[in-house]
Amino acid sequence: EVQLVESGGGLVQPGGSLRLSCAASGFTFSSFWMHWVRQAPGKGLMWVANVKTDGSTTNYADSVKGRFTISRDNAKNVMYLQINSLRAEDTAVYYCTSLSAGTWGQGTLVTVSS
Amino acid sequence: QAVVTQEPSLTVSPGGTVTLTCASSTGAVTSGHRPYWFQQKPGQAPRTLIYETGNKHSWTPARFSGSLLGGKAALTLSGAQPEDEAEYYCLLLYSGGWMFGGGTRLTVL
Repeated sequence: EVQLVESGGGLVQPGGSLRLSCAASGFTFSSFWMHWVRQAPGKGLMWVANVKTDGSTTNYADSVKGRFTISRDNAKNVMYLQINSLRAEDTAVYYCTSLSAGTWGQGTLVTVSS
Repeated sequence: QAVVTQEPSLTVSPGGTVTLTCASSTGAVTSGHRPYWFQQKPGQAPRTLIYETGNKHSWTPARFSGSLLGGKAALTLSGAQPEDEAEYYCLLLYSGGWMFGGGTRLTVL
């Protein structure tokens, strides 16, 4: 079964950091670009970042550049999102997805609040 | 920065046909934007319906189709079912990354 499982979300204070993980199974993880997408409460989807199959290329939405770092470990079939200098507006459910495989995780909630 | 625009809301009758569109502020949407369409129901993760303009996954109901129409990406639902009531999002590729539209809330009534 093709599956993506996110973890690492939680409550964090403004200015804090988190590392989200996305564990993949059931497909050839190393063959697909991977993406993070977030959704603030009651809002639409926002593309956050992506990483190339071999991790050599990354792209970010303007609003997260310099604070977010996407990476992957193909040996472990895991993708990461390091989030630094968290702001209230980063509060959202963070999804990982392989667009071309059509697969989405169930999401992990990040709440930034003091 | 590009803006991707969708109809905020649409209503379709059961069994009816409706077309949702996805426009780009930079000009005509082309196959180079690699349009995607997603369905999201309350409390659930998004589900991919259409990839790269008009391709379907194995789970995509046959009543959904994707195309380019009048300079926009389009998602057509033919023979709407009550379970199709949901939020629909398009996604386009630009040189700097990807951009979602604001979503269309589709009501089947």
